[in-house]
Amino acid sequence: QQQVKQSPQSLIVQKGGIPIINCAYENTAFDYFPWYQQFPGKGPALLIAIRPDVSEKKEGRFTISFNKSAKQFSLHIMDSQPGDSATYFCAASIRGGGNKLTFGTGTQLKVEL
Amino acid sequence: DAGVTQSPTHLIKTRGQQVTLRCSPISGHKSVSWYQQVLGQGPQFIFQYYEKEERGRGNFPDRFSARQFPNYSSELNVNALLLGDSALYLCASSFEQLPYGYTFGSGTRLTVV
Repeated sequence: QQQVKQSPQSLIVQKGGIPIINCAYENTAFDYFPWYQQFPGKGPALLIAIRPDVSEKKEGRFTISFNKSAKQFSLHIMDSQPGDSATYFCAASIRGGGNKLTFGTGTQLKVEL
Repeated sequence: DAGVTQSPTHLIKTRGQQVTLRCSPISGHKSVSWYQQVLGQGPQFIFQYYEKEERGRGNFPDRFSARQFPNYSSELNVNALLLGDSALYLCASSFEQLPYGYTFGSGTRLTVV
C-alpha cells in the first residue's frame, strides 16, 4: 500500500514531442505528489509538485495531471528538448507518515534530435 | 548559496568494514534526510532528522545509524558492510520537518567489495 508504481521504464521521443510518464498509488492517505529529475552523477532535483485537491498544475514546460478517483498522476513535458534527457521519478508522501518520500522506480527519458 | 554538500563523493570499502558518510545542509535548513539509491531504482528512505532528533526511520537494519549535529550537519554510519549496501547514498535538506521542497545533494557512491 506504500508503493508508487511508475511507467514506462524508458521512453524515447523526438525533439518537440510530449513525453508522458505515469504513476499510480493505492494509499489514499498520500497527500503530496512531487516529480524529480535526475541527471547521471547528480542527486534528484524537484521539478514540480501537486496536492490532491488540484487536478492540474503547470510550471513552465512541465505539467502534472492528477486523477484522484483513479489514484493516478502523470508528468507531461511540453516541447521536449535534448537537455530534458534524464531519469524522472514520481514520489508521494503522507502528512505524519514518517516524514518521508516514497519514490517510483524511475523513467529514463531520451529526447532525440 | 552553497547547495547540499556530501562527502566523500566516492568510497570503496571491504565487506565487514564500517563507513561514515557526511552531509551539510543548505544554510537555514533544519531537516536532513538520508536515502539509499540502488542502481536503476528510486531512492529508498533511511532516516530523517529534524532539530537534532530522529523523526523518521525507514525499513533498514540496525547496522544503519545516523545523527545530526548542533550546526544541522549529519552523519550516516553503516556497520558490518554487505555487498548489497553498494549504492548511491543521498542526503536531502529542507527547512521544515515535512518532506516538501527537498534539495538533494549529489550523493556518495559507496562500493562494497
